[in-house]
Amino acid sequence: EPEVTQTPSHQVTQMGQEVILRCVPISNHLYFYWYRQILGQKVEFLVSFYNNEISEKSEIFDDQFSVERPDGSNFTLKIRSTKLEDSAMYFCASSEPPGLKTRDTQYFGPGTRLTVL
Amino acid sequence: GQSLEQPSEVTAVEGAIVQINCTYQTSGFYGLSWYQQHDGGAPTFLSYNGLDGLEETGRFSSFLSRSDSYGYLLLQELQMKDSASYFCAVEDAGNMLTFGGGTRLMVKP
Repeated sequence: EPEVTQTPSHQVTQMGQEVILRCVPISNHLYFYWYRQILGQKVEFLVSFYNNEISEKSEIFDDQFSVERPDGSNFTLKIRSTKLEDSAMYFCASSEPPGLKTRDTQYFGPGTRLTVL
Repeated sequence: GQSLEQPSEVTAVEGAIVQINCTYQTSGFYGLSWYQQHDGGAPTFLSYNGLDGLEETGRFSSFLSRSDSYGYLLLQELQMKDSASYFCAVEDAGNMLTFGGGTRLMVKP
């Protein structure tokens, strides 16, 4: 069964450094998402991406964050100048093209645990 | 914005039936989804309701009443492996999922 993959599984960085989290969505999916989950808290939406542009973003997704689809398979989240409060699990998700009932199903990757020291 | 309320914790015994309720207040609503998350794992899709009524998928069912801004997840024939956190999530027209705080289900022998 196809699945979303994410690398690395764990990233440790120093405060102020830049990190890039990588995701490979399911191949025929066209909607891509990033979520984060601070330890012990709920999953929070960061951004959605469709047709090579951001379609929606939350107030968490400020100028520190950016997303990119550098090629036909990867989807990345860049965090510039990381802060201590950026420490969280970051999940990538993808969903099918619009117009299909299963568009409503978002499939999550295993996550990248980001630790900012 | 969106806000969702669900119980923080539920305990049940193996073989029993448990219902996890979710109420929501939303400025835009497309559907209600349910996700399961084991400790340290990723959210896994369980069920989706776009219309009022009951959706059944094996041992899991989900219900939605749009007029009451209310839904629930029903888990039958509980197994130990069902011990996990369960999140309801509202989807808006832009595909954004807003998650509730999660319900930690503990299944006891």
